Amino acid sequence: GEDVEQSLFLSVREGDSSVINCTYTDSSSTYLYWYKQEPGAGLQLLTYIFSNMDMKQDQRLTVLLNKKDKHLSLRIADTQTGDSAIYFCAEISGNTPLVFGKGTRLSVIA
Amino acid sequence: GAGVSQTPSNKVTEKGKYVELRCDPISGHTALYWYRQSLGQGPEFLIYFQGTGAADDSGLPNDRFFAVRPEGSVSTLKIQRTERGDSAVYLCASSLGPSGTYEQYFGPGTRLTVT
Repeated sequence: GEDVEQSLFLSVREGDSSVINCTYTDSSSTYLYWYKQEPGAGLQLLTYIFSNMDMKQDQRLTVLLNKKDKHLSLRIADTQTGDSAIYFCAEISGNTPLVFGKGTRLSVIA
Repeated sequence: GAGVSQTPSNKVTEKGKYVELRCDPISGHTALYWYRQSLGQGPEFLIYFQGTGAADDSGLPNDRFFAVRPEGSVSTLKIQRTERGDSAVYLCASSLGPSGTYEQYFGPGTRLTVT
């Protein structure tokens, strides 16, 4: 079945850029998503990219998609302590359910 | 309400008992999803409703799990003869239509602990 892989931890200093990486196996993925989960809160959709795009920018967030290598990344510019959370990569193909990675825990050091 | 709500927020039950978890989707959202998130894992799909019917229940782990959405709005996830391995956060999400086209909005989850 489909699989989504992420590194589990990332630590950055406040003000630096964070880059969270994700690989997926489903070559028919149509949308790829980044969700943020803070303690005790539900999942919040941060951004998404359609599979025929290779880059999307939204304020401090930049998503890069390498469809050939099935690699997705999320760059957060000027990382703040409020960005500390778990970030999930997810993919969908047609009307299939969302498939999530295990999440990357981002720690921002002041 | 403004978002997806789930009740209870926490549920502790003994092994072998029956539990019901409730989800109130955003008004007007026809699609509703249940996911289960175990500690240190990402959410895993359980079941998807489009209106009143279960369009995809391929994620339900076994026949102890069942979900209903009788009027196409509120949904209840039912777990019979609970086991310690059922302990997890159960997340509900809703969307205007089928996923892939419409964003899924998640509730805060119900944390189920089976002792």
